[in-house]
Amino acid sequence: RKEVEQDPGPFNVPEGATVAFNCTYSNSASQSFFWYRQDCRKEPKLLMSVYSSGNEDGRFTAQLNRASQYISLLIRDSKLSDSATYLCVPSSGNTPLVFGKGTRLSVIA
Amino acid sequence: EPEVTQTPSHQVTQMGQEVILRCVPISNHLYFYWYRQILGQKVEFLVSFYNNEISEKSEIFDDQFSVERPDGSNFTLKIRSTKLEDSAMYFCASSDWADTQYFGPGTRLTVL
Repeated sequence: RKEVEQDPGPFNVPEGATVAFNCTYSNSASQSFFWYRQDCRKEPKLLMSVYSSGNEDGRFTAQLNRASQYISLLIRDSKLSDSATYLCVPSSGNTPLVFGKGTRLSVIA
Repeated sequence: EPEVTQTPSHQVTQMGQEVILRCVPISNHLYFYWYRQILGQKVEFLVSFYNNEISEKSEIFDDQFSVERPDGSNFTLKIRSTKLEDSAMYFCASSDWADTQYFGPGTRLTVL
């Protein structure tokens, strides 16, 4: 079973739309969760850390459901610059991160 | 804001040559990592380094690979005899006690 499962997309949404990505993880011992965004041929950039039930930062909201081993990312008022691949990454302390292929988002004018 | 830096941004080499990829982690960080990403594929873990020694390595990190922290700031990845399949983006990352890993901009390695 894959450590992380995400819908690969692509999600094509108009500017201003709200879009949500889902992620299920298999390791119930995961303590923290990260959402990274990755632009083509660039490094993963940390978008948000989630340690408890969720986190909110401006237009971005993450929600964690440990019982269902599920984490989501909601983006409100999408901007063209939000176009990227979004990677859900569980973690158990200072251990190697295991990445999936992520979800591709394309925001269209 | 502190950031991880990597040099060079692009390295082209002939098959069989040795390459050294360099990273300067964030200054107060204690954990260091190398990852790679072959074009179109996932980011894959190579090796982690803590307290001046390798703490974990993946199957990819075979005898052709080595890491070093030669001084208080640099963290290097050496590939002794490059193969065509080593062509990839190589990312360095670092973290402090809070386990959040920050990635450098990467080195694109092209093996001809």
